[in-house]
Amino acid sequence: QQPVQSPQAVILREGEDAVINCSSSKALYSVHWYRQKHGEAPVFLMILLKGGEQKGHEKISASFNEKKQQSSLYLTASQLSYSGTYFCGTAAGGGADGLTFGKGTHLIIQP
Amino acid sequence: GAVVSQHPSRVICKSGTSVKIECRSLDFQATTMFWYRQFPKQSLMLMATSNEGSKATYEQGVEKDKFLINHASLTLSTLTVTSAHPEDSSFYICSLKGGRESGYTFGSGTRLTVV
Repeated sequence: QQPVQSPQAVILREGEDAVINCSSSKALYSVHWYRQKHGEAPVFLMILLKGGEQKGHEKISASFNEKKQQSSLYLTASQLSYSGTYFCGTAAGGGADGLTFGKGTHLIIQP
Repeated sequence: GAVVSQHPSRVICKSGTSVKIECRSLDFQATTMFWYRQFPKQSLMLMATSNEGSKATYEQGVEKDKFLINHASLTLSTLTVTSAHPEDSSFYICSLKGGRESGYTFGSGTRLTVV
């Protein structure tokens, strides 16, 4: 089941903050966040496994709620290099399963 | 994380021909690899799971006779698009997973254009 990502697109000025959300109707085993630049492969940002988990650093961090149905990615004091499309990928099981990706959030950072 | 090499990066082929895409794990023995397809401005869609030494597992709606997957060793999986048609034109990306707390590493992708 494809996770629901929001918003679809965000335009920010350099230095502003953004939050991208990813939700599922069922509890997830894990949530993975990726950033993809145009024409390139996705780049891994972080994985969240535990309910209530928060990880990352002060610039880019993410949370996973207690019920493991919703995750948010936080981009603080955005830089031009943060531009791209952000995808959350979810795994329903703990085995060697491929990811189901959300539709993506297109982030544009303007100087 | 694991290092993945994918070739070719771009290929143009004529309609009706077959194209092989290679995905190599350079520093990790991968019993499982994954193949995704991404159409322009869309998300990545899982096509199949490649299993070393056994048959691949295909997602619903993906034709296994058209997209042949071979995973003959722990470091190499191949995807062959047989009898390619223009609608098969897409960005194909392979991926593998490291340890439990590792993300999935993606190859650099193959841009297939069928003319």
